[in-house]
Amino acid sequence: AQSVAQPEDQVNVAEGNPLTVKCTYSVSGNPYLFWYVQYPNRGLQFLLKYITGDNLVKGSYGFEAEFNKSQTSFHLKKPSALVSDSALYFCAVRAHITSNTGKLIFGQGTTLQVKP
Amino acid sequence: NAGVTQTPKFQVLKTGQSMTLQCAQDMNHEYMSWYRQDPGMGLRLIHYSVGAGITDQGEVPNGYNVSRSTTEDFPLRLLSAAPSQTSVYFCASSYSGRGITGNTIYFGEGSWLTVV
Repeated sequence: AQSVAQPEDQVNVAEGNPLTVKCTYSVSGNPYLFWYVQYPNRGLQFLLKYITGDNLVKGSYGFEAEFNKSQTSFHLKKPSALVSDSALYFCAVRAHITSNTGKLIFGQGTTLQVKP
Repeated sequence: NAGVTQTPKFQVLKTGQSMTLQCAQDMNHEYMSWYRQDPGMGLRLIHYSVGAGITDQGEVPNGYNVSRSTTEDFPLRLLSAAPSQTSVYFCASSYSGRGITGNTIYFGEGSWLTVV
């Protein structure tokens, strides 16, 4: 069965420091991997995705993520955190073999808190 | 661009009442889906559709019905509301083409539902 794990409920970083939000996945075959961000009382905004190609994916707002097949991980990173990055972050996966692109499996979410 | 539009944003229902959450997208996406978001559980798939006239169940379909008479619209019906259906509901859409937007799932702003 497909699954996604975000091992940290909350990540705290100081503004200006690098941040990492962790994600590991379990899926048969090659995965499609996604990161979304959710601000309070808002919908999910797409940040970036890995489908194929370069393992380092760059996305919106200066975020990037690295696909590591051997460790089945897709950690979200940013070199210098901003207070405005504080939000709830979701990792999601879809198996490449699944034809319906509307079906994602989500992690439980990680709250990022960036302190001034 | 309107993207994915959900209505209503907020709704309070009494146990046993029925209602419909509306979802419309203007991107001509073939895939649409409904998720519910509960604290600590991420998002879980309720129902999905791969095109007009075709729907199927997701992970948590009980108590919900859907139909897809047009490409643009994908309403979610609560047949007899229960307190366990208190949640935030998200509609999403996507298409399977190549490029930056292909295989990317776009979410609406959410519908906050409380069943008392």
